[in-house]
Amino acid sequence: EPEVTQTPSHQVTQMGQEVILRCVPISNHLYFYWYRQILGQKVEFLVSFYNNEISEKSEIFDDQFSVERPDGSNFTLKIRSTKLEDSAMYFCASNRGQITDTQYFGPGTRLTVL
Amino acid sequence: KNEVEQSPQNLTAQEGEFITINCSYSVGISALHWLQQHPGGGIVSLFMLSSGKKKHGRLIATINIQEKHSSLHITASHPRDSAVYICAGISGAGSYQLTFGKGTKLSVIP
Repeated sequence: EPEVTQTPSHQVTQMGQEVILRCVPISNHLYFYWYRQILGQKVEFLVSFYNNEISEKSEIFDDQFSVERPDGSNFTLKIRSTKLEDSAMYFCASNRGQITDTQYFGPGTRLTVL
Repeated sequence: KNEVEQSPQNLTAQEGEFITINCSYSVGISALHWLQQHPGGGIVSLFMLSSGKKKHGRLIATINIQEKHSSLHITASHPRDSAVYICAGISGAGSYQLTFGKGTKLSVIP
């Protein structure tokens, strides 16, 4: 069964460094999402991406964040200058884009900012 | 602002018990996902509901659109059902991103 994959599974970085989290969505899906979950808190929407541009973004998704689909398969989340409070689990998800469609989640990348 | 509220936050049950988790949601939400999150963190979608009722094995999900309320039921609970169950609302327009509830941590004791 097709699945969403994410790399790396765990990323440790120093405050102020740039990180890129990578996702490979399911191949025939059209909408891609990033969510994050701070330890002990609920999952929060960051951004959605469709047709090579941002479709929606939350107030969390400020100028330090960016997303890109550099080729036909990868979908990346870049955090330009990491802060301690960016430490969280980051989930990528994808679906075909109908309201009735299941969203398929990747296993997550745990980001630790020191 | 779209909101999703779940109850209870924590639930401990004996193996075999019937379990109900409740979810209420705000006006801007037009459909719901029920998701399961295991201790390792992975998230799996169990159901997507916009009306009525769905059943998969021992899991049953219902939604009442007028009352903006949904329930997830687990029949004949088993220790392997132990996980966090999350209700997430779908906004009606745009990219259908999810607004998550805080989750219900279920522990089923043998």
